[in-house]
Amino acid sequence: DQQVKQNSPSLSVQEGRISILNCDYTNSMFDYFLWYKKYPAEGPTFLISISSIKDKNEDGRFTVFLNKSAKHLSLHIVPSQPGDSAVYFCAASRSGNTGKLIFGQGTTLQVKP
Amino acid sequence: DAGVTQSPTHLIKTRGQQVTLRCSPKSGHDTVSWYQQALGQGPQFIFQYYEEEERQRGNFPDRFSGHQFPNYSSELNVNALLLGDSALYLCASSLQGNTIYFGEGSWLTVV
Repeated sequence: DQQVKQNSPSLSVQEGRISILNCDYTNSMFDYFLWYKKYPAEGPTFLISISSIKDKNEDGRFTVFLNKSAKHLSLHIVPSQPGDSAVYFCAASRSGNTGKLIFGQGTTLQVKP
Repeated sequence: DAGVTQSPTHLIKTRGQQVTLRCSPKSGHDTVSWYQQALGQGPQFIFQYYEEEERQRGNFPDRFSGHQFPNYSSELNVNALLLGDSALYLCASSLQGNTIYFGEGSWLTVV
């Protein structure tokens, strides 16, 4: 039972353009969502998060949007840079339980110079 | 400020053997979680330790066990290794439910 799904295994964009990574979830009890970035041979690095009381959170070039009714969130990277090339994981948790995260399968982003 | 550190980084074991992986949390963190990441998959939650006790457990068999020490460091033990246990094992730490930070992981290959 895959409670968090990232249906696009890979995404390729041109440097300077927008990257949009998508994530869907099925468990309505999830109320805190995070995005992690992972380079080869490194552990996942926290990128940005959003609570279910918000529908948008922004941090520099990264913005996460949450659509609770659709159980969908997306990560926008503007402008994309070659250094953003990595695997991006969406994760979800229940309130006060961020130690237990449910991850999606990941999306490999390639930003071409 | 040291982040989450794990050892060893790589190891190879034979089916049926036992393995112990170690983790030191980020300075100031008191909660440690362990995750298993198989190739091409996202990390899967194994269990979480807080105040030296297992607080939560994911869908993993009893062959997977752990320990947390008074200095908050932690060990993950896997007994009777199977080929399917080959994966990247990630340790993550946090301070009482806040954002978790991951180590670089321990690559386990079972042959």
